[in-house]
Amino acid sequence: QKEVEQDPGPLSVPEGAIVSLNCTYSNSAFQYFMWYRQYSRKGPELLMYTYSSGNKEDGRFTAQVDKSSKYISLFIRDSQPSDSATYLCAMSVTTGNQFYFGTGTSLTVIP
Amino acid sequence: DGGITQSPKYLFRKEGQNVTLSCEQNLNHDAMYWYRQDPGQGLRLIYYSQIVNDFQKGDIAEGYSVSREKKESFPLTVTSAQKNPTAFYLCASSRQGAASGNTIYFGEGSWLTVV
Repeated sequence: QKEVEQDPGPLSVPEGAIVSLNCTYSNSAFQYFMWYRQYSRKGPELLMYTYSSGNKEDGRFTAQVDKSSKYISLFIRDSQPSDSATYLCAMSVTTGNQFYFGTGTSLTVIP
Repeated sequence: DGGITQSPKYLFRKEGQNVTLSCEQNLNHDAMYWYRQDPGQGLRLIYYSQIVNDFQKGDIAEGYSVSREKKESFPLTVTSAQKNPTAFYLCASSRQGAASGNTIYFGEGSWLTVV
């Protein structure tokens, strides 16, 4: 079993829709959670960073962490064609050396 | 601008050749990483370095080598021993590694194709 699981999609939504992207994980020691957006043939860029449980909002993006369920989500409101990309979740522990990534979810927002 | 610079963006390698991918960062980060990305497989860790003159193997180090002689530089050599090197390679850095909530930042990537 992988430490981080992410549905690869592809996910296709109409412009203006609310998008929900999710990751599950098995290691209860994960404390730090990140979401990255990766456009085709580009490096991933950091979108959201959260510590432990709770919600964090930044513009149209909301990151949610539920440690009791080992489940994290990224919500995109009023989705735009420019949001079309692959979204990667990532996690780390307090004392570790490595980051753990999901495989990414491919999202297409149709105008 | 602060960031991570990878070069070249596109590289073609003949069978049996070694090639070196460059990675330079001006973020003053201690930790640097190399990942390989293949379709449907996500990011796989090749090597990482927490400090100058020290590095550790990741999950898929066979056929690759690295050096960390300077804090800002972490070049990756893809050797002829790597049997399937065609992939997208990503260099990344982090202030002090994954510990204590540091985030990781990526370069724009290098595409390597074996011809």
